[in-house]
Amino acid sequence: GDSVTQMEGPVTLSEEAFLTINCTYTATGYPSLFWYVQYPGEGLQLLLKATKADDKGSNKGFEATYRKETTSFHLEKGSVQVSDSAVYFCALTIASGNTPLVFGKGTRLSVIA
Amino acid sequence: NAGVTQTPKFQVLKTGQSMTLQCAQDMNHEYMSWYRQDPGMGLRLIHYSVGAGITDQGEVPNGYNVSRSTTEDFPLRLLSAAPSQTSVYFCASRRVGGQPQHFGDGTRLSIL
Repeated sequence: GDSVTQMEGPVTLSEEAFLTINCTYTATGYPSLFWYVQYPGEGLQLLLKATKADDKGSNKGFEATYRKETTSFHLEKGSVQVSDSAVYFCALTIASGNTPLVFGKGTRLSVIA
Repeated sequence: NAGVTQTPKFQVLKTGQSMTLQCAQDMNHEYMSWYRQDPGMGLRLIHYSVGAGITDQGEVPNGYNVSRSTTEDFPLRLLSAAPSQTSVYFCASRRVGGQPQHFGDGTRLSIL
């Protein structure tokens, strides 16, 4: 079945450090890929998405590029802030309309001042 | 906009008790789903629905029932709570064929 594997955390970085959270996937069809973020005590929010190969999703300084050849969708940010501390989830869905989102296990990021 | 509203936010139950977790959305989304979030396990799909009167099982459906009598509401029922069902439960909705999925703020459920 379809699955998402993301790097285990927790990840602890100093403010202004570079962030990479790795995400790879397996899918039987042609998936759309997503990164969701969960701030403490809240539900998940969509951070960015990409729907086809070589697309780059970006939002709030975060970026991820859909790499079909390596089945990857790594999340990056050039300079993290304390406010970026959260749990980040990589997810996919096969773009046929009714299929559920499949999530990775999440990566907890802590940014210290 | 209210979005996806879950009630209650917190609940403590005793083993064997029953309970319904409520979920309502005001975006006229056809697709609704329930997930549970456990440490180290990410989000696992319990049940989902693509419209009123239609429900289907997800990855971990055992011990949970759902129904979808209206577009707006998608309650999750625990008929006989077990300690293994201690978790944080999230409801989500979206348009069929659309993204993103909108999440509620969760219900933290503890079963003693």
